[in-house]
This record gives sequence, C-alpha cells and structure tokens, in this order.
Amino acid sequence: RKEVEQDPGPFNVPEGATVAFNCTYSNSASQSFFWYRQDCRKEPKLLMSVYSSGNEDGRFTAQLNRASQYISLLIRDSKLSDSATYLCVVIENTGGFKTIFGAGTRLFVKA
Amino acid sequence: GAVVSQHPSRVICKSGTSVKIECRSLDFQATTMFWYRQFPKQSLMLMATSNEGSKATYEQGVEKDKFLINHASLTLSTLTVTSAHPEDSSFYICSAYAGHYLAEQYFGPGTRLTVT
Repeated sequence: RKEVEQDPGPFNVPEGATVAFNCTYSNSASQSFFWYRQDCRKEPKLLMSVYSSGNEDGRFTAQLNRASQYISLLIRDSKLSDSATYLCVVIENTGGFKTIFGAGTRLFVKA
Repeated sequence: GAVVSQHPSRVICKSGTSVKIECRSLDFQATTMFWYRQFPKQSLMLMATSNEGSKATYEQGVEKDKFLINHASLTLSTLTVTSAHPEDSSFYICSAYAGHYLAEQYFGPGTRLTVT
C-alpha cells in the first residue's frame, strides 16, 4: 500500500464547477497535512494546510479525518487558472520529519 | 514568502560526466534542505535530507556515492550527479526548511537534467 494515495484523475470540469479531491494516508502517526499545487514543469507551491477542524481559504476548503486517515480538498466555482496538479502531502516524524507526496491529481478546468 | 533558488535551471550533459546543482536559500537560513527527483507524470520522490554540517541522510534505493550532497552552509546545498547516465535524466527539486512551522518548506524552481 502506498504511503499517500490520491484519486488518479485527471478531472475535467467546466468553469464554475465544484470539484473534490480525496487522499488517504497509511501512517496513523502522521503529524501534518497539506495540499500543494504544482503547475506543469514548475515546483510545488503550498496551497493550504489541513486541520481536523477544517480550513477554508476563499474557494478552497480542506478537511482532515484522522480516524479514517483521509484528507480532502474542495474547490468551488472552478476557474481556468485552477488547472494544475494537486498534491496531497503528509509529514511524518520518525526521528526527523519526512515529507511524503502523493502522486497528484491533475485538474483541467475548461471554458 | 521565502525564496529558494536553484542553478542551473536546465542542463544537458553527456553520459559519464558529472553535474552539480546548487540550491540556495536567499533570505533565510535553512537548517535542513531536501532533494527530490520527479520523473514525468510522477510525484516528487525524496532522495535525501541534508543538514548543515553533517552527512546527508539518503532514502532507500538512492545511491549516496552517485548523488553526492554537500550542505556546507545554512544557505547552500549542492547535489552532484556523478557519472550521469540517461536514466538519471529527471527534474531535480530542492527545498529548504527554516526549522519552524512544518509547512515552511520552500521549494526551488527545479533543475531539468537531460543526459544524452
């Protein structure tokens, strides 16, 4: 089983649509959780942190369910500029901390 | 946010040669730097963790003698791909961690290595 698994995608949605990404992680002792965005041939950029209480930033909402080891990202009112790969990232602390990236889910938003 | 630079951004080299990639944190001191590799349509894979003044910690399956990492200062880490082969062609990305909030891992723009 992969340490971090994401929806394979790609997701093709029209502008204005709501899209949800899911992610599961295998290590129940994982400490911190994030969503990153990566544009083609670019480095990843932090999108938002994920908390059990939920985290909302404009059109983006992230949620963590520790019991189910599940992370989600919801994008409302999709824009063309949202087209990118979304990476679920989990940080484990095993002596020193280790960042584990999911394989990413590709999103295409079309006019 | 903090800035991390990488140099070169793109390099093409012949098989058997060595290539050095630099990662610099420009406006903060990075206690730890990470080196990742990303093949097309795949996720970032951590290669090694580099702490200033100490030996790098390599992930399983990464040859430390082939991928030499030096973290000589709090603002500079280098990755040298020795005796490069075509299968080493990849996108190499570094990130720098300031040692505070775990999300504060700032990524460099990446180096695209092509070995012919």
